[in-house]
Amino acid sequence: SQQGEEDPQALSIQEGENATMNCSYKTSINNLQWYRQNSGRGLVHLILIRSNEREKHSGRLRVTLDTSKKSSSLLITASRAADTASYFCATDGQAGTALIFGKGTTLSVSS
Amino acid sequence: ETGVTQSPTHLIKTRGQQVTLRCSSQSGHNTVSWYQQALGQGPQFIFQYYREEENGRGNFPPRFSGLQFPNYSSELNVNALELDDSALYLCASSLDGRGDYGYTFGSGTRLTVV
Repeated sequence: SQQGEEDPQALSIQEGENATMNCSYKTSINNLQWYRQNSGRGLVHLILIRSNEREKHSGRLRVTLDTSKKSSSLLITASRAADTASYFCATDGQAGTALIFGKGTTLSVSS
Repeated sequence: ETGVTQSPTHLIKTRGQQVTLRCSSQSGHNTVSWYQQALGQGPQFIFQYYREEENGRGNFPPRFSGLQFPNYSSELNVNALELDDSALYLCASSLDGRGDYGYTFGSGTRLTVV
């Protein structure tokens, strides 16, 4: 079963615009992670936010976490064509041994 | 520092056959997890190995089995292949058995069962 659900399923923007993706989950977590996947290949770890953190930054990425609402958001500022990919949120489950992924948001950035 | 390496990259098998997929973990990582990703879906957890012991298993039948070796590399074996086993199989390694520092994924093995 999938715990994380990303919204929207697909997003198309122009270069330079900001992209915001949301993720909701169902059970309590230790941490939430965001990954990027290009063209159905391997996932690249973007950022991890722990349950006691509310916001985290990494370069052009900003992640927020609201444990009371069981939701997270990923903001990519000043998007580039190279940001075109699928983005997944993942939460830890089964006592932390497994990542539970949503179906992902497909981001298309056009120049 | 090398990342996670998976082999082969692509594989075509016939229904009923058996397949072995291989994964070399990132240097310094002692935990390997395997995921199955069907087209258009998010990855689904198959199982995890921590220091050569199975450390968690997802909702997959026993014909999915694995091994972890003393150098922390790993194999995923699937017996009696079914058409629905066609997917991208991803291996991920981490520093600990809980993934508290994130996972490093390989590029995956694309398995097609015909």
